[in-house]
Amino acid sequence: GENVEQHPSTLSVQEGDSAVIKCTYSDSASNYFPWYKQELGKRPQLIIDIRSNVGEKKDQRIAVTLNKTAKHFSLHITETQPEDSAVYFCAASPGTASKLTFGTGTRLQVTL
Amino acid sequence: DVKVTQSSRYLVKRTGEKVFLECVQDMDHENMFWYRQDPGLGLRLIYFSYDVKMKEKGDIPEGYSVSREKKERFSLILESASTNQTSMYLCASSNRREAPQHFGDGTRLSIL
Repeated sequence: GENVEQHPSTLSVQEGDSAVIKCTYSDSASNYFPWYKQELGKRPQLIIDIRSNVGEKKDQRIAVTLNKTAKHFSLHITETQPEDSAVYFCAASPGTASKLTFGTGTRLQVTL
Repeated sequence: DVKVTQSSRYLVKRTGEKVFLECVQDMDHENMFWYRQDPGLGLRLIYFSYDVKMKEKGDIPEGYSVSREKKERFSLILESASTNQTSMYLCASSNRREAPQHFGDGTRLSIL
């Protein structure tokens, strides 16, 4: 089955700096890659997703890149703000099914 | 806006009890999922369902079963609760493959 590895497990950046979270996946058939943000005590919420026919996608300060050859994808947050502090999860879906395999999460802390 | 409702935010049960966790979604989604979330392990899929009365095992189905008698409702059952099932349980739904999953607020279950 699919295996998703996520790094780093914790990340601390100063407000205004950029943050990058990286994930690798094992199943070459995976073709859908969402990212979720989970604030303390709240539900995971989708922030951005990318499909395998696209190499990069951007939404304001958030961008995701996908390298299918290397089987890795990354989340980039620019101009970080305190409200970006949360746990971020990457996930991969094989496309033959709707299920997702999640990474273990990255706790991002944005300090003033 | 999609709403996924889990019946309880907090639940305390005793070892050996049969425990039911309920999840209801209001968007006529075909797919529903049950995850457990543990620190450092991310979200792990227990069971999922593509349609009424259909179920598929996820990555950690041992000790659990599910029921989907109606499209909007997906129940997780702990047949005989054990202390290692103490965890946060998250329900999610989606309407097709390669589609975002929408999560409920979670049930924090403690087995004493």
